Amino acid sequence: DAKTTQPNSMESNEEEPVHLPCNHSTISGTDYIHWYRQLPSQGPEYVIHGLTSNVNNRMASLAIAEDRKSSTLILHRATLRDAAVYYCILSLSNAGGTSYGKLTFGQGTILTVHP
Amino acid sequence: DGGITQSPKYLFRKEGQNVTLSCEQNLNHDAMYWYRQDPGQGLRLIYYSQIVNDFQKGDIAEGYSVSREKKESFPLTVTSAQKNPTAFYLCASIGFRASYGYTFGSGTRLTVV
Repeated sequence: DAKTTQPNSMESNEEEPVHLPCNHSTISGTDYIHWYRQLPSQGPEYVIHGLTSNVNNRMASLAIAEDRKSSTLILHRATLRDAAVYYCILSLSNAGGTSYGKLTFGQGTILTVHP
Repeated sequence: DGGITQSPKYLFRKEGQNVTLSCEQNLNHDAMYWYRQDPGQGLRLIYYSQIVNDFQKGDIAEGYSVSREKKESFPLTVTSAQKNPTAFYLCASIGFRASYGYTFGSGTRLTVV
C-alpha cells in the first residue's frame, strides 16, 4: 500500500493561512488523495479529496503536485476551530474510478492555532 | 439526516467476554470499514467490506470478527481472543461515486474492566 508522510505538528496564528504538507512518493495512478481532520474523542471529518487537479471547497483547498508525489492542504484563514489532527490518506480506486479498498491512516499532523 | 450511527458510545467489557459494536448507515453506501484508535495514535484498519456478504481483513484483524448481512449494517465483534481491546473504535463508509469522501461515525469507546 502506498504510504503518506506528514510532519508531526504545525502551529499557526488565527486568521493566517496554513499550509499542511503531505508526501506520497509511491502513489499509484488511480489513488485518490484524501484529507480528514479529527477532534479529540470524535470521528474524523472529511475535508477534501482529489485525483490530479487542484480542488477547492468551502473548508479548504487542495494543491496537488504535477507528479502527484506530494500535496498541500491549504486553510486560507485559520480559526481556533481548525485546531485538530489532520490526516492525509491515499485511497485505492477501482477500475471504475470510484474510491474503494483499504483506507490506511498515518499518524497525521497536529495543528495548533494560537489566538 | 443521513449518516452513520455507532452504538453504544461507551462500552465496558469484562475479561473473557465477547462484545458487539453496532454500525448502521442510511447513506446507501457500498463499502464499510472498522478502525481502532489507541490514545495519541492514528487509525488502524480492522476489517472492511465492499459488498454485502463479503469482507476482508485489515491490518489488525486478529481477535475481531464482522458480518455484512445487510448493506446498511456492519457490526464488529470483539472476541475474548483480542488481548488488548481497550480502545476507541470507529466505523466508516463510502458510496459508489465517492463524491464526498468517507463518512465516519462518532465512535465507541470500549474499556475492559
